[in-house]
Parts: sequence; structure tokens; C-alpha cells
Amino acid sequence: GDSVTQMEGPVTLSEEAFLTINCTYTATGYPSLFWYVQYPGEGLQLLLKATKADDKGSNKGFEATYRKETTSFHLEKGSVQVSDSAVYFCALRGLGSGTYKYIFGTGTRLKVLA
Amino acid sequence: EAQVTQNPRYLITVTGKKLTVTCSQNMNHEYMSWYRQDPGLGLRQIYYSMNVEVTDKGDVPEGYKVSRKEKRNFPLILESPSPNQTSLYFCASSRENRGRSDTQYFGPGTRLTVL
Repeated sequence: GDSVTQMEGPVTLSEEAFLTINCTYTATGYPSLFWYVQYPGEGLQLLLKATKADDKGSNKGFEATYRKETTSFHLEKGSVQVSDSAVYFCALRGLGSGTYKYIFGTGTRLKVLA
Repeated sequence: EAQVTQNPRYLITVTGKKLTVTCSQNMNHEYMSWYRQDPGLGLRQIYYSMNVEVTDKGDVPEGYKVSRKEKRNFPLILESPSPNQTSLYFCASSRENRGRSDTQYFGPGTRLTVL
């Protein structure tokens, strides 16, 4: 079945460092891909998404490109801030398999130090 | 204000005592879903609904029931809760567009403890 694998955390960075959180997927058909962020004590909120190959999602300085050839959707940010400390989830929604489920990764905790 | 609400936010109960967690959205969304979040396992989808009277299983439906009698409400029912259902539960909703859903909006979560 469909699956999402993302790098384990926690990831600890200094402020203004470059961030990469890896995400790879397995899916039949042509899934939509998402990054969600969860701040402490809150529900998840969408950070960015891409619905077809080579699409780049971007928001708040974060970017991710839908790479069909490598089945990846890595999250990047050029300069992180303390306020980016949160848990980041990669997710997919499969199509073409007769189901409309969402599959989430296990989450990657990011801690940014001042 | 556009939002997804869940009640209760916190619940401690005992094994076998039926409970319902309510979920309501005010955005006229077609798609609604329930997830559980457990350490090391991320979010796992329990059930989802594409529209009124249309529900389907996610990855971990065992021990749960849902219903979608109205568009705005999607309650999660635990007929006979067990300790392994102790978890943080999230409801979410989104528009539905030919199978490619829009942004999911999540509720604040319900922390359930089953003793």
C-alpha cells in the first residue's frame, strides 16, 4: 500500500541555518503531496502542497518540489528562525487506487536555537 | 470564524464504557476525517467521509465507528474503549474537488485516556 517515510528527528539547528527534512513516498497512481506543521499544543496546519510532478510548493520561506523520478518531496528552508520550532509531517493523498485516504509520515521534530 | 471544533478536549474513561467524540465544521466542507496521533507513529487515519452518508475506512478503523448524517458533523464513536485506544485524536475537514482535496483544517485535538 501507499506509504510515507520521513527522516527521524529531532533535528536541532542554530538560528539562520539551512534546513532540509527528507521525505520519500510509495504510491500507486499520482498522489498529491503535503507538508503539515504542528506547533506545541496545537492541531496541524498546512504548510505547503504540490499536486503533480515537478510542482514546487512554497510558503513562509519553506519550499518542497514534487520529484516523481526519485519519489521525494523534501522540505527546505534557507534560514530557520526560533519560531519554526515545531513538528513537521509529510503526507500524501493517493489517487487512482479507488481510495481517498491520507497517509502521514511519523513526523520530524525541529528545534531551532537562538 | 472558520473552524473545526471537537468536544471534549480531554477525556479520561474506563475500559468498556461507550463514548462519543464530536466534531463539527462551519466551512461547508465535503471531506471530513478522524486521525489518531501516537508517539513514534505519527498521524494515522481512522475513518474519512467524502460527503453525507459516505464513509470509508482509513488505516486503523478497528474499534471505532463513525456516521455522517449532516454535512457539518462527523462524530467518532468508541463502542467499547480499550487502553490501546488511549491517544490524541484529531478531526479535520476540507473541500473536495474531484478527488483532489483542498487544504485540510484540523481541530484542536481530543486527548483520550482509557484506564
